[in-house]
Amino acid sequence: AQKITQTQPGMFVQEKEAVTLDCTYDTSDPSYGLFWYKQPSSGEMIFLIYQGSYDQQNATEGRYSLNFQKARKSANLVISASQLGDSAMYFCAMRGYDMRFGAGTRLTVKP
Amino acid sequence: KAGVTQTPRYLIKTRGQQVTLSCSPISGHRSVSWYQQTPGQGLQFLFEYFSETQRNKGNFPGRFSGRQFSNSRSEMNVSTLELGDSALYLCASSSPGGRNSNQPQHFGDGTRLSIL
Repeated sequence: AQKITQTQPGMFVQEKEAVTLDCTYDTSDPSYGLFWYKQPSSGEMIFLIYQGSYDQQNATEGRYSLNFQKARKSANLVISASQLGDSAMYFCAMRGYDMRFGAGTRLTVKP
Repeated sequence: KAGVTQTPRYLIKTRGQQVTLSCSPISGHRSVSWYQQTPGQGLQFLFEYFSETQRNKGNFPGRFSGRQFSNSRSEMNVSTLELGDSALYLCASSSPGGRNSNQPQHFGDGTRLSIL
């Protein structure tokens, strides 16, 4: 069975600093996709970044990068130069048979 | 390009009633998925439709059902509502792809259902 685990319910980071949000997954399927989404307090889910199980390089999208360690089954999101607008819930998700989401991490950026 | 549209945004029902929620996907997207989001259980997958066929189903009772029309619009129905059905129901659409597809799901703003 597929499982996504986010062990950090809440994180704080100082503005302009980098932060890493943890995500581990469990699947026996060799083919899968990993996604990170941001959900601000307004409620909409915003796609941030994608990593495929066969991708050799870590994905990057602007200030977002994904630290993909396949052997450890981890897909941590790194946000560089945090901004106040980054304060939100962040969800890790995996697409295999279906789409599974982690419990989320609430990130608060302090000025 | 218009995003995913969900109607209504808010809904209040009482126990035992039934409800139908609607989702219009992004133009050209043929895959539509539904999720239930609650503070206690987080985001839980309900079902996925593609070309009017249910492709996957999550672990929810039969009271939860859905369908997809030929124009890719989708509806989900919950019958015999229970207090625990109070949640934010999110619809997401995507271009169809396999398990390693890099096509993200694009979400609507959700329908917040409250059961009294």
